[in-house]
Amino acid sequence: IAGITQAPTSQILAAGRRMTLRCTQDMRHNAMYWYRQDLGLGLRLIHYSNTAGTTGKGEVPDGYSVSRANTDDFPLTLASAVPSQTSVYFCASSDSPGGANVLTFGAGSRLTVL
Amino acid sequence: GQNIDQPTEMTATEGAIVQINCTYQTSGFNGLFWYQQHAGEAPTFLSYNVLDGLEEKGRFSSFLSRSKGYSYLLLKELQMKDSASYLCALSTGDYKLSFGAGTTVTVRA
Repeated sequence: IAGITQAPTSQILAAGRRMTLRCTQDMRHNAMYWYRQDLGLGLRLIHYSNTAGTTGKGEVPDGYSVSRANTDDFPLTLASAVPSQTSVYFCASSDSPGGANVLTFGAGSRLTVL
Repeated sequence: GQNIDQPTEMTATEGAIVQINCTYQTSGFNGLFWYQQHAGEAPTFLSYNVLDGLEEKGRFSSFLSRSKGYSYLLLKELQMKDSASYLCALSTGDYKLSFGAGTTVTVRA
């Protein structure tokens, strides 16, 4: 089934540890995104990539980094996790970064930083 | 930047109609989206408006007024499975989506 796969589904992490959330899509979409979702705040954009080899900062990029070595994969790394990064993280993709930019979302990764 | 406002919660009865309003302020506009998100699941696309007016898609309709910075999502003939959060999202000048905090709709029998 075509779509987006995120891993892990859920993770509990000690503060200060490094963590990479994985995201893979098989739709050959050009654009990919990472959002975090917190109660009362909605989805906030962390980083994005309009095409393989390029990345950009979203609304809340501090403490996170991304890479886009190929079309399919867009990992999100927390270099040194802090409790405020406890959240549900959604990876998304779209066929084109412009126009009717319909996003397809992965199932999410729930991260708890203690 | 942009500001997106929508009510936090709404409750309605099965078979009824509910209208979820969304107001926004933005310096660049490339369309307004509505997504549905069931508890514990990923958001899924419902509708897209880029021109003023009403877009109808079965039981769901979405309206846009660009001059007023206003949209609404209309859900007709409510079913229990429509209990979910509804997210208003704005595509801005750089084509990235900014989301409102979402409106949780509870459908009662």
